[in-house]
Amino acid sequence: EIVLTQSPGTLSLSPGERATLSCRASQSVSSSYLAWYQQKPGQAPRLLIHGASSRATGIPDRFSGSGSGTDFTLTISRLEPEDFAVYYCQQYGSSPRYTFGQGTKLEIK
Amino acid sequence: QLQLQESGPGLVKPSETLSLTCTVSGGSISSSSYYWGWIRQPPGKGLEWIGSIYYSGSTYYNPSLKSRVTISVDTSKNQFSLKLSSVTAADTAVYYCAHSQWLGAFDYWGQGTLVTVSS
Repeated sequence: EIVLTQSPGTLSLSPGERATLSCRASQSVSSSYLAWYQQKPGQAPRLLIHGASSRATGIPDRFSGSGSGTDFTLTISRLEPEDFAVYYCQQYGSSPRYTFGQGTKLEIK
Repeated sequence: QLQLQESGPGLVKPSETLSLTCTVSGGSISSSSYYWGWIRQPPGKGLEWIGSIYYSGSTYYNPSLKSRVTISVDTSKNQFSLKLSSVTAADTAVYYCAHSQWLGAFDYWGQGTLVTVSS
């Protein structure tokens, strides 16, 4: 089973700053089948990035994903007030079919 | 645009079976490439994939839950369902249904429904 470890657990930044979130896999993620989700309190997760670097429909271009193999990054170039939330990475290439990271909470400094 | 809505009891007794249904609108559950999944989230914790199904009935389960999970599809009602047997307090969670293309990332989600396991 692929285990995804996200860091940091909590990231405190101010609006306008750049956020860099990390997701490390215990083994290589096949074909970069890695996604990122944003979740706000009381809401369902929202798909941001799939295939490690492809933005989902309607996602602003300040969100970008990169990486391959075992190391992946979600970057938010310039934080907007609505970006403060919890972010999860997910792999969907290996058994079990889907696993999620434990999440990174992005909070306002 | 697809819309998904979970329904079912919000309270289940320990040792009983949790049953939820997801109703799909805005598209056919039988569309080629559409897979349908269940994901849960205990209060204050992270996300856990439970399983997925294709309209033909092919199923994929999380090995950690496989012995207790059954996911089925009803194409005539555009619905798919989750049954989780022998529940305990550890199964208390918000349960989400979701869509993916070809077992890829989940791009459409229901709003989620809280199921509490308690006597």
